[in-house]
Amino acid sequence: SQTIHQWPATLVQPVGSPLSLECTVEGTSNPNLYWYRQAAGRGLQLLFYSVGIGQISSEVPQNLSASRPQDRQFILSSKKLLLSDSGFYLCAWMGQVAGELFFGEGSRLTVL
Amino acid sequence: QKEVEQDPGPLSVPEGAIVSLNCTYSNSAFQYFMWYRQYSRKGPELLMYTYSSGNKEDGRFTAQVDKSSKYISLFIRDSQPSDSATYLCAMKDNQGGKLIFGQGTELSVKP
Repeated sequence: SQTIHQWPATLVQPVGSPLSLECTVEGTSNPNLYWYRQAAGRGLQLLFYSVGIGQISSEVPQNLSASRPQDRQFILSSKKLLLSDSGFYLCAWMGQVAGELFFGEGSRLTVL
Repeated sequence: QKEVEQDPGPLSVPEGAIVSLNCTYSNSAFQYFMWYRQYSRKGPELLMYTYSSGNKEDGRFTAQVDKSSKYISLFIRDSQPSDSATYLCAMKDNQGGKLIFGQGTELSVKP
């Protein structure tokens, strides 16, 4: 069966520091992968998606970037964090039946 | 106007009640309709999905789609405290479009 892992689960970082969140998927090959951000009390905001190695589409211009160095690995990065980058970051892969998304457990980022 | 509208609640019901959660949408091209459950500080979990119109039942959960009214519902029978979570609707077309989420409805089931 397919599983998705995200780490770290919780992160507290100072403003201006770098960021790296990792996501890996197991049990499937060449999945479409997604990064979402969920601010407190708000819906899901699509940040990036990837249909293959090295292929990244950005939905929202901002302080973040994404990379896909391997088929089942998706990384969210920032060179210098802003206070507004705080939030709950979710990685997801797309199923093949209905375009449904399967989410990881999330990474909670607090920027101080 | 947002493509998908969902009342954020919060919705509080007593244990055993029937819960009705709803979303409206504006894009008539949507064909796949999904419901997710998200516990506090966890990732969303897919509950069920339907294609086009009609009903789908899974245990205590029933998903209903009315494409003529652009309205979808999730019913929870015999609600339990463990059903307390935020419920998000999501939908997409069948032409490779993105999955569009509602804002989520926070549900609390009181013992």
